Amino acid sequence: GENVEQHPSTLSVQEGDSAVIKCTYSDSASNYFPWYKQELGKRPQLIIDIRSNVGEKKDQRIAVTLNKTAKHFSLHITETQPEDSAVYFCAASKGRSYIPTFGRGTSLIVHP
Amino acid sequence: EAGVAQSPRYKIIEKRQSVAFWCNPISGHATLYWYQQILGQGPKLLIQFQNNGVVDDSQLPKDRFSAERLKGVDSTLKIQPAKLEDSAVYLCASSFRGLDEQYFGPGTRLTVT
Repeated sequence: GENVEQHPSTLSVQEGDSAVIKCTYSDSASNYFPWYKQELGKRPQLIIDIRSNVGEKKDQRIAVTLNKTAKHFSLHITETQPEDSAVYFCAASKGRSYIPTFGRGTSLIVHP
Repeated sequence: EAGVAQSPRYKIIEKRQSVAFWCNPISGHATLYWYQQILGQGPKLLIQFQNNGVVDDSQLPKDRFSAERLKGVDSTLKIQPAKLEDSAVYLCASSFRGLDEQYFGPGTRLTVT
């Protein structure tokens, strides 16, 4: 089955800095890669996603890049703010049904 | 739009007891998922339904876990008997179709003592 590795497990940055979280996947047939943000004690929420026919996608301060050859994808957050502090999860899925495999999560801490 | 509803929010049971969780998805969402999230880990998919049929249950420990979605709307997940390692948050999510955005419920935090 699919295996998703996520790094780093913890990321500490100063407000205004950029943050990058990286994920690798094992199944070359995976074609959908969402990112979720989970604040402490709350439910995961989709923040951005990318499909395998696209190399990059941006939404304001958030961007995701995908390298299908290397089987890795990354989340980029620019101009970080304290409210960006949360656990971020990547996931990979393939086929017509969304059956995701999640990474273990990255705890992002943004210091004011 | 009402979100995904789950109950109970918290449950404490002793090992070998049984427990059931309930989920009501967003109206009109055909796809429903149950996840197990152990502290410090990402959600692990237990079972996915499309209407009242099972799409994937390959990671569901079928000797103790069962789930149903009889009328294709709400769903129940049962654990019988519970083990200490079942302590986790059980998340329900739904989406309109298979590849659409998933909306998660608030989760049920299960503690097995």
